[in-house]
Amino acid sequence: EVQLVESGGGLVQPGRSLRLSCTASGFTFGDYAMSWVRQAPGKGLEWVGFIRSKAYGGTTEYAASVKGRFTISRDDSKSIAYLQMNSLKTEDTAVYYCTRSYSSGWYGRIDYWGQGTLVTVSS
Amino acid sequence: DIQMTQSPSSLSASVGDRVTITCQASQDISNYLNWYQQKPGKAPKLLIYDASNLETGVPSRFSGSGSGTDFTFTISSLQPEDIATYYCQQYDNLPLFGQGTKLEIK
Repeated sequence: EVQLVESGGGLVQPGRSLRLSCTASGFTFGDYAMSWVRQAPGKGLEWVGFIRSKAYGGTTEYAASVKGRFTISRDDSKSIAYLQMNSLKTEDTAVYYCTRSYSSGWYGRIDYWGQGTLVTVSS
Repeated sequence: DIQMTQSPSSLSASVGDRVTITCQASQDISNYLNWYQQKPGKAPKLLIYDASNLETGVPSRFSGSGSGTDFTFTISSLQPEDIATYYCQQYDNLPLFGQGTKLEIK
């Protein structure tokens, strides 16, 4: 059974950093691209960023709203994806979902989602 | 940048009704469009991929159609468990979700 479990969320002050982790199981993690999607309270879904599998260079893409502040990485030996969030703003407050793309190198469809972890940016 | 316009933003229908949601892209995205269902307090779930393909295990009352710029999502006979918010998502370029359609029972 595919499982994605996020951790690392919590309350953080504006301007500070936070790192989220996504621990995957039930599939060969290294074969898939992974994305992060967020949802502000009472709002819609926003794609945050994406990391390709190593077979496609492990390269990343980001939404304009987080580019330069957020970094996605992966450790295939541990089946973990990370979202490093720097210079956090109050508008980054959201539930962050770790997701799996059906593809190795392209966004495609998101076929599995984690349960989400809440990040609250507030002083 | 591609813009996605999803409508309506909310919808009230009766059990057994046929329900239709539309999504319009600002430029041709071929069939690079997915539909997701999100129930309150839960993670979204993939229903339709590549505009018209039913995800494994999803009931056949759900369907999708369209290509290019205009897409439609249909529930042929609304069931009580279909109460949720539905999102389209394009992936021709950087992924972008529609604004969502909140579906309620009348």
